[in-house]
Amino acid sequence: EPEVTQTPSHQVTQMGQEVILRCVPISNHLYFYWYRQILGQKVEFLVSFYNNEISEKSEIFDDQFSVERPDGSNFTLKIRSTKLEDSAMYFCASVYGYSGNTIYFGEGSWLTVV
Amino acid sequence: ELKVEQNPLFLSMQEGKNYTIYCNYSTTSDRLYWYRQDPGKSLESLFVLLSNGAVKQEGRLMASLDTKARLSTLHITAAVHDLSATYFCAVVVETSGSRLTFGEGTQLTVNP
Repeated sequence: EPEVTQTPSHQVTQMGQEVILRCVPISNHLYFYWYRQILGQKVEFLVSFYNNEISEKSEIFDDQFSVERPDGSNFTLKIRSTKLEDSAMYFCASVYGYSGNTIYFGEGSWLTVV
Repeated sequence: ELKVEQNPLFLSMQEGKNYTIYCNYSTTSDRLYWYRQDPGKSLESLFVLLSNGAVKQEGRLMASLDTKARLSTLHITAAVHDLSATYFCAVVVETSGSRLTFGEGTQLTVNP
């Protein structure tokens, strides 16, 4: 079965540092997403990306965050000047088209800010 | 603002028993998803429900959707230990884009 792959699986960073989380969506998918899950809590939407631009973002996705698709395969989430409360699991997801298709999630990147 | 509520949040049941997890949402939805998550792992898609009255079954799990009541159920039949996980429902409202809004999750423990 096709899968969404994410790297790194776990990253520890010092407060104030920048991190880049990487995702390779499923190859023919058109819509890409980042979600996060703080330990023990529900999954929260961050941003959606279509046609090389952000299509929607949540209140969480402020100027500290950015996304880009630098080439035809990778989809990255950059977090500038990390804070302790950014510690979470970050999931990338993709879907071919959003009318009723399965949205596939990657294995996640655990980010620990110390 | 769309709200998605699941209950129960914690469910401990014996093997062989049946139970239902409920997912209520606050506004008209276009699609409803059920996901399974094992501890520290990703979200595994279980079902996508698109229309009122939709019912889907896979093994011991059956999901249904009542769009008029804004309610979906995930029914577990004759539970086995391997079903122990956290189950999330998630709703899409297309007038709000394609984002998934998740419920809090139901942590299911199936005891031998």
